[in-house]
Amino acid sequence: DAGITQSPRYKITETGRQVTLMCHQTWSHSYMFWYRQDLGHGLRLIYYSAAADITDKGEVPDGYVVSRSKTENFPLTLESATRSQTSVYFCASSVPRGNEQFFGPGTRLTVL
Amino acid sequence: RKEVEQDPGPFNVPEGATVAFNCTYSNSASQSFFWYRQDCRKEPKLLMSVYSSGNEDGRFTAQLNRASQYISLLIRDSKLSDSATYLCVAMEYGNKLVFGAGTILRVKS
Repeated sequence: DAGITQSPRYKITETGRQVTLMCHQTWSHSYMFWYRQDLGHGLRLIYYSAAADITDKGEVPDGYVVSRSKTENFPLTLESATRSQTSVYFCASSVPRGNEQFFGPGTRLTVL
Repeated sequence: RKEVEQDPGPFNVPEGATVAFNCTYSNSASQSFFWYRQDCRKEPKLLMSVYSSGNEDGRFTAQLNRASQYISLLIRDSKLSDSATYLCVAMEYGNKLVFGAGTILRVKS
């Protein structure tokens, strides 16, 4: 029972490079989410998806792109990484109107 | 102003103590409320849902006051294993979660 996985777990990149963070869930949950967690801010929603091919912006979407061609995958792309995007990124999933979101283990991204 | 506000702590308490965390939210349209727990360098996990009628799960009691937009979590008989960051969370339309910045709890022997 793999649940929800993220890759890579750690990533160091340079300013201006494109980076893609992967998220995969095995529960067939329709909802998937991307959050970033920074000291003092807690978790902030970047993008979310209610189903395959349906995505919408969250609180902090600028500089990020998402896609959802398959229910189980929800990749997050930083088109041109900036130092301010250094953060821990969490992917999560849930059923519709579900009370609980299930989080992946996170990706620690450092942009130099 | 943040949508969900919490005292960041840290709360340093001895084993066996009772500790209370408070949280306020600004969006009166928020539909549901939760407490999540996050261990150091780990992902958040649901601790419990919060209802106006109050709910209890073992040593943990959560309460919601919609009139004052206030949420609380009470932990009785604290254990070393309760040391973590406790996140107050409001759910908005579309299953979107809004997190507080978290309250750090350290239980010491």
